[in-house]
Amino acid sequence: ILNVEQSPQSLHVQEGDSTNFTCSFPSSNFYALHWYRWETAKSPEALFVMTLNGDEKKKGRISATLNTKEGYSYLYIKGSQPEDSATYLCAPAAGYQKVTFGTGTKLQVIP
Amino acid sequence: GAGVSQSPSNKVTEKGKDVELRCDPISGHTALYWYRQSLGQGLEFLIYFQGNSAPDKSGLPSDRFSAERTGGSVSTLTIQRTQQEDSAVYLCASSLAGGTWRGSNQPQHFGDGTRLSIL
Repeated sequence: ILNVEQSPQSLHVQEGDSTNFTCSFPSSNFYALHWYRWETAKSPEALFVMTLNGDEKKKGRISATLNTKEGYSYLYIKGSQPEDSATYLCAPAAGYQKVTFGTGTKLQVIP
Repeated sequence: GAGVSQSPSNKVTEKGKDVELRCDPISGHTALYWYRQSLGQGLEFLIYFQGNSAPDKSGLPSDRFSAERTGGSVSTLTIQRTQQEDSAVYLCASSLAGGTWRGSNQPQHFGDGTRLSIL
């Protein structure tokens, strides 16, 4: 089982603020890194899957970067909106193992 | 196209009864996962199927839990002699296979879940 750490556990930001959070994972035998958004009372929704060191993905106001050598990924949200309120999960995969989900960062955007 | 379908959406049962939860993955997805979310908790892995390979059962919390996947498609999660601590939302997800890496580079598509309540 991979050791996945996400920080912070939760945060509150004002509407319009930009924010970012971190996912740390073991760098050895890295294969892929997933990000998911999980809104309350809904199911997790895939945002990105990244595999290459230095990869950067973007979807609207949300972007993510990946550093496989040091074992971390950042998720950025530009100009946060109330609809961005959700728990953001990262899930790395290494070696021949399935993805392992972190406990998530819970974001609340205050109007 | 159709997404991952789970049934029932809600299930209330008495302690000690057996329950079966069903998951119909996206057509063509060979990887299938079961997770659960207990109240106030995160996503807990239960079991993983990939094609014809032996399933990864490492997340099943006790021998009361079992799952099967027939014909490489529909999966059933069975909980025998249910306990109150089994109350949770049970989520199923499917993905395409990722070459030799068992689906880990493909995004998972989640169903809406089954909310299980044990009285």
